[in-house]
Amino acid sequence: GDSVTQMEGPVTLSEEAFLTINCTYTATGYPSLFWYVQYPGEGLQLLLKATKADDKGSNKGFEATYRKETTSFHLEKGSVQVSDSAVYFCALSDQQEDDKIIFGKGTRLHILP
Amino acid sequence: DAGVIQSPRHEVTEMGQEVTLRCKPISGHNSLFWYRQTMMRGLELLIYFNNNVPIDDSGMPEDRFSAKMPNASFSTLKIQPSEPRDSAVYFCASSLDWGERKLFFGSGTQLSVL
Repeated sequence: GDSVTQMEGPVTLSEEAFLTINCTYTATGYPSLFWYVQYPGEGLQLLLKATKADDKGSNKGFEATYRKETTSFHLEKGSVQVSDSAVYFCALSDQQEDDKIIFGKGTRLHILP
Repeated sequence: DAGVIQSPRHEVTEMGQEVTLRCKPISGHNSLFWYRQTMMRGLELLIYFNNNVPIDDSGMPEDRFSAKMPNASFSTLKIQPSEPRDSAVYFCASSLDWGERKLFFGSGTQLSVL
């Protein structure tokens, strides 16, 4: 079945550092890809998405590009802030799997002031 | 809109007791999802509904778990009898319709079974 693999955390960075969180996927069909973010004590919320190859999703300074050739959707941000501290989930939705959204295990990010 | 509302926020119970988790989706949303989050297994989809009808419950771990959606504004997830391995955070999420892939999550219920 479909699956999502993302780098294990926690990831600890200083403020204004460059962030990359790796995500790769396996899918039967041609999935849509997502990044969700979970702030402490809250539910997940959609951060960005991409629905076809070479699309770039972006929001709040975060970006991710749908790379079909490497089956990847890495999350990047040029300069992180303390307020970006959260857990980040990569996810996919595949029509071949009834469009169920499948999440990775999450990567905890700590940003130090 | 208040968003997806879950209750209770925290539940502590003893093994063997019945546990009922509640969810109110965003008004107008037609799809509702129940997820379980643990450190070991991450975020698992338990069951989802479309227009109040259960579509896929293959993620429900065993017969001790059941979910209902009697109307468009309310859903319950019940565990009877509860076991310590059921301890987790349970999230409810809703989306506008089945084709919409943007999920809105509630704040979750932290369940501890002693």
